[in-house]
Amino acid sequence: DTAVSQTPKYLVTQMGNDKSIKCEQNLGHDTMYWYKQDSKKFLKIMFSYNNKELIINETVPNRFSPKSPDKAHLNLHINSLELGDSAVYFCASSLGTGKAQPQHFGDGTRLSIL
Amino acid sequence: SQKIEQNSEALNIQEGKTATLTCNYTNYSPAYLQWYRQDPGRGPVFLLLIRENEKEKRKERLKVTFDTTLKQSLFHITASQPADSATYLCALDIKRGSQGNLIFGKGTKLSVKP
Repeated sequence: DTAVSQTPKYLVTQMGNDKSIKCEQNLGHDTMYWYKQDSKKFLKIMFSYNNKELIINETVPNRFSPKSPDKAHLNLHINSLELGDSAVYFCASSLGTGKAQPQHFGDGTRLSIL
Repeated sequence: SQKIEQNSEALNIQEGKTATLTCNYTNYSPAYLQWYRQDPGRGPVFLLLIRENEKEKRKERLKVTFDTTLKQSLFHITASQPADSATYLCALDIKRGSQGNLIFGKGTKLSVKP
């Protein structure tokens, strides 16, 4: 009965590779997000989708490409991985796009670049 | 420049005491503020939301205040227990058109000793 689930939980790969992280929510929410939490523990928004439409796209290298096949899924594809991409990536969802919407987070994908 | 700061990286208190965590911000005008709890290896979990026109919000042993003049929120846990040990994140809910957007602080790691 997991609300927001991400796979894989751990991802260890070489620099230059391409990888994908998947996220699914079973809460019936319309809005989904990707966040990056770096080694300094700051949690920063990367992307936000509402009903499969891109809403927020922060200053993120275009090597990162989100894809939302339906409103319950938001995947993140990363091309040409770099050392600085090592971080924990969190998926989250909320009921809608408006303010005052609590967000529900997955448990993160720990990406390590060798 | 815009900043959000949580008073200390770590806070150690004795079981049964009240824990008080501080969140200060500059150059933002949030309409809402949210508090989350994050355990090691897990995603943040929503705790409380307070609106700019609310002075105080309570939920069981938790209390949040929001002073838009001081640009500060205080988060209190009364009768603290070792199970309350975790990192607590404050998040400003910043308006981007009609879209809410959370800006997270770095968090305060609370340790409650028995």
